[in-house]
Amino acid sequence: DAKTTQPPSMDCAEGRAANLPCNHSTISGNEYVYWYRQIHSQGPQYIIHGLKNNETNEMASLIITEDRKSSTLILPHATLRDTAVYYCIVNNQGGKLIFGQGTELSVKP
Amino acid sequence: DAGVIQSPRHEVTEMGQEVTLRCKPISGHNSLFWYRQTMMRGLELLIYFNNNVPIDDSGMPEDRFSAKMPNASFSTLKIQPSEPRDSAVYFCASSSRASGGDTQYFGPGTRLTVL
Repeated sequence: DAKTTQPPSMDCAEGRAANLPCNHSTISGNEYVYWYRQIHSQGPQYIIHGLKNNETNEMASLIITEDRKSSTLILPHATLRDTAVYYCIVNNQGGKLIFGQGTELSVKP
Repeated sequence: DAGVIQSPRHEVTEMGQEVTLRCKPISGHNSLFWYRQTMMRGLELLIYFNNNVPIDDSGMPEDRFSAKMPNASFSTLKIQPSEPRDSAVYFCASSSRASGGDTQYFGPGTRLTVL
């Protein structure tokens, strides 16, 4: 069973920041938070991951709360090509990724 | 880098036939994963290998499914005999602990239709 809770869908205006929340209240100390996305008909794509500290890369930023029970993925300037299903996953580096239902993000012109 | 390569991209077969899906992981990656995606069940992990050895096959639905990894650059997922309920998109992914984590890179998938 997935250990995360995400809203099923969200809308975002093109050019604005998309903030995707994730609840992982049962996360263990050695578990990382991973974000993947899946654009229609393609394989899932890795976005970013983190343990405790906030992380940023060329695709997105990941903000993890101090108690690590929730996190937010931020796409700073969403484009139409960011329309996808976004998955938040907790993983203890043991290899297995358990995908939930994710958040379907629609970026609108 | 070519990324994870899967073949065929589409497969249509009749019930009872044997189906073989193929995967070439990213060079240097030592873990390989097979997933299945359906509308009803979402993305499910079927089996994964570390250093060519199967580690966890608890997601394999039944004995009709088998997976092999004869070397570091090739893996197969076989369904024999196939059934209509096996229709799904099958993804292969690979990862490397050496890259600083278990970030998995997915292939484009094989869309299987069993008639």
